Amino acid sequence: AQSVAQPEDQVNVAEGNPLTVKCTYSVSGNPYLFWYVQYPNRGLQFLLKYITGDNLVKGSYGFEAEFNKSQTSFHLKKPSALVSDSALYFCAVSAFGGGYNKLIFGAGTRLAVHP
Amino acid sequence: EAQVTQNPRYLITVTGKKLTVTCSQNMNHEYMSWYRQDPGLGLRQIYYSMNVEVTDKGDVPEGYKVSRKEKRNFPLILESPSPNQTSLYFCASSGANTEAFFGQGTRLTVV
Repeated sequence: AQSVAQPEDQVNVAEGNPLTVKCTYSVSGNPYLFWYVQYPNRGLQFLLKYITGDNLVKGSYGFEAEFNKSQTSFHLKKPSALVSDSALYFCAVSAFGGGYNKLIFGAGTRLAVHP
Repeated sequence: EAQVTQNPRYLITVTGKKLTVTCSQNMNHEYMSWYRQDPGLGLRQIYYSMNVEVTDKGDVPEGYKVSRKEKRNFPLILESPSPNQTSLYFCASSGANTEAFFGQGTRLTVV
């Protein structure tokens, strides 16, 4: 069965420090992987995706993610956190190894960046 | 501006009273989906549509109906809502090679 795990309910980081939000997945075939962010009372905003190619993908707002096939992971990273990065982050994988339509989401990780 | 529009944003209703949540997209996307978001569970897909008149069940379809009569619209219908359908609902659309775009969400409370 296809699944996504975000092992941390919450990540706390001091402003200016690097941040990592973890994601592991289980999917048959080649995965399409995504990160979305949700601010309070807002919909989900797309951050970045991995489809193929370079394992390090760069996205919006200075975020990047590293695809690791052997560890089936797709961790979200940022070199220097901002207070405004505080939000709920979701990792998602496309089912059946392709397409953008049927997404399976992790439970979400709340990122809190402290001044 | 490219967007997915859901209405209403907030809705409180009583058990058994039929309701419809509308969703419209202006990007000419083929694919549209409905998700519900519950604490600790992330988003789970309810139904999705690959094009006009083509729909299929997602992971949690029980108690919901959808229709896709026009490419831009994908309404979600709850024929007889129950309290366990209290949730935050999101509509999303995507093209053949684009990421999914999400609406602002509809917070539904069934009492």
